[in-house]
Amino acid sequence: DTEVTQTPKHLVMGMTNKKSLKCEQHMGHRAMYWYKQKAKKPPELMFVYSYEKLSINESVPSRFSPECPNSSLLNLHLHALQPEDSALYLCASSQEYGSYEQYFGPGTRLTVT
Amino acid sequence: DQQVKQNSPSLSVQEGRISILNCDYTNSMFDYFLWYKKYPAEGPTFLISISSIKDKNEDGRFTVFLNKSAKHLSLHIVPSQPGDSAVYFCAASSGGSNYKLTFGKGTLLTVNP
Repeated sequence: DTEVTQTPKHLVMGMTNKKSLKCEQHMGHRAMYWYKQKAKKPPELMFVYSYEKLSINESVPSRFSPECPNSSLLNLHLHALQPEDSALYLCASSQEYGSYEQYFGPGTRLTVT
Repeated sequence: DQQVKQNSPSLSVQEGRISILNCDYTNSMFDYFLWYKKYPAEGPTFLISISSIKDKNEDGRFTVFLNKSAKHLSLHIVPSQPGDSAVYFCAASSGGSNYKLTFGKGTLLTVNP
């Protein structure tokens, strides 16, 4: 199984809502990542978890709150987002943090109204 | 400052011919390079990679060439197939204590039947 799954596929939320994005992998990977991708731009790294601990936060605003409940799951909790946060949110995993090849999920298309 | 550059936003080739996608980088600390393919509404899919100790890596129809002195790499697809039509991202990493992937902006490849 080389699949990274993400739910939901699409999400529309208001600026006062609280929602969560979910990511799951069953490849035994110990590093998991959140990326944000705007249209016609490359993916931008947001967070890295290694062995369920937050290793990297790329100066992401606190309205984005990551969580790694176990080695297979990664969540991104959203609160008080802005319309400019609308983007494709991609989850990825790799064998270790230090393994170059990252495997991406299909993404969640988020629209903030 | 864009450290990984894909200067061609799009490329169109005929089925059966060679597709050549180019990527330039500025950071001499990069020591590992990857190509990802992305279809609309899907996450990037890892395609092929190359370490800086090599100048060529081949996997079926896909070959990546690395010219370290020119800080340039290219992806060759031979023969090109309509199913190869996608956005191709070049990515680079410097290893060490920072395995962050730096992506180019992508090149849209269209293979015409």
